[in-house]
Amino acid sequence: QVSLKESGPALVKPTQTLTLTCTFSGFSLTTSEVRVGWIRQPPGKALEWLARIDWDNAKYYNTSLKTRLTISKDTSKNQVVLTMTNMDPVDTATYYCARFLFGLHTFDVWGQGTVVTVSS
Amino acid sequence: DIVMTQTPLSLSVTPGQPASISCKSSQSLLHRDGKMFLYWYLQRPGQSPQLLIYEVSNRFSGVPDRFSGSGSGTDFTLKISRVEAEDVGVYYCMQSIQLPYSFGQGTKLEI
Repeated sequence: QVSLKESGPALVKPTQTLTLTCTFSGFSLTTSEVRVGWIRQPPGKALEWLARIDWDNAKYYNTSLKTRLTISKDTSKNQVVLTMTNMDPVDTATYYCARFLFGLHTFDVWGQGTVVTVSS
Repeated sequence: DIVMTQTPLSLSVTPGQPASISCKSSQSLLHRDGKMFLYWYLQRPGQSPQLLIYEVSNRFSGVPDRFSGSGSGTDFTLKISRVEAEDVGVYYCMQSIQLPYSFGQGTKLEI
């Protein structure tokens, strides 16, 4: 059974760096069919795609946030990590990780999300 | 960047009645391989989004057949033939033909 779970701090201060970990099971990030991405959702607002990492370590970022984001993977731990620098209160959101299947060309399974609040 | 525009933003439907949501993209979502990279998600209250429809009109595993998708190019529609209580939530369309992937603003379905 495929599952993903996000973890990280619930509260960060402005200007700090946020580090989120996505731990997954039921699939491997070593096959060409599979990618993992991050999406966020500010309270009461729409979804915003942030980044994606592929099985071959190719990385893609939302251009509007590219300078602040870094995505990486640890295939031995079945984890994908997202860091976002210079956090601001507008970055307060629920952060989701999700599996992206090349065959479907979309995110088919999502984690439960982790809520991050940016406040001093 | 491709902009996805949904209408209406909210919808109140009586159980058993149909519902329809429109999604328009600022660019064609037709890939050179003939596929249309348009998707529909439902986010139930307090839950993460779940995939309903992929490539315009294909129901994802376990999705009831009362859900259907149609459209081409830049205009797409999600229809629910007979709304049930469990269909309450926010519906999002999404495109994946071009990075950055983008979602519509969401349509809130209430009963």
